[in-house]
Amino acid sequence: NAGVTQTPKFRVLKTGQSMTLLCAQDMNHEYMYWYRQDPGMGLRLIHYSVGEGTTAKGEVPDGYNVSRLKKQNFLLGLESAAPSQTSVYFCASSWGGPSSGANVLTFGAGSRLTVL
Amino acid sequence: SQKIEQNSEALNIQEGKTATLTCNYTNYSPAYLQWYRQDPGRGPVFLLLIRENEKEKRKERLKVTFDTTLKQSLFHITASQPADSATYLCALVDTGRRALTFGSGTRLQVQP
Repeated sequence: NAGVTQTPKFRVLKTGQSMTLLCAQDMNHEYMYWYRQDPGMGLRLIHYSVGEGTTAKGEVPDGYNVSRLKKQNFLLGLESAAPSQTSVYFCASSWGGPSSGANVLTFGAGSRLTVL
Repeated sequence: SQKIEQNSEALNIQEGKTATLTCNYTNYSPAYLQWYRQDPGRGPVFLLLIRENEKEKRKERLKVTFDTTLKQSLFHITASQPADSATYLCALVDTGRRALTFGSGTRLQVQP
């Protein structure tokens, strides 16, 4: 039982390059999230999904796109990377949403991205 | 504006003492509040959830209180151990929002 798996764990990009972070969960969770974590700023929500085929913007969505074509996968894309996107990215999933009270998140180990 | 505030300074305590961490929030009406633990280089791990109608919740050496009048949650670790050293994050969901919002966390260091 792997839980939430993120790939890659580390990546270095040059400004303007594109890349995709992959998140996979094997818990049959409906909800999936992408957060970024920067020193002193805590976790900030980028995008989230409340089910297969759905996506929604979070607190800091600019410069990122997401897709949830399969229930178990949530992809985060950077079309044209910028140094401000240097961060640690965490994917998380939950069985239910906030209104259900079942909004306990299971996190992946993180993906450290550096944009030069 | 909405804020979740946790003490950004590290908390250093001696082994065996009780650690108390604070989470204050403004302009939220949370239905519940959660605490997570994060070790260096790893993702946060869920510890406890407390609902708005609960004053206190316990799990082994952990205790969480929730005061919606003061807009504050306290997180206690009794008989602390060096293995408790980590960053502790509080998180809550505002009515009408669809995802958790996290505080920036407080780093706890337990000295042997």
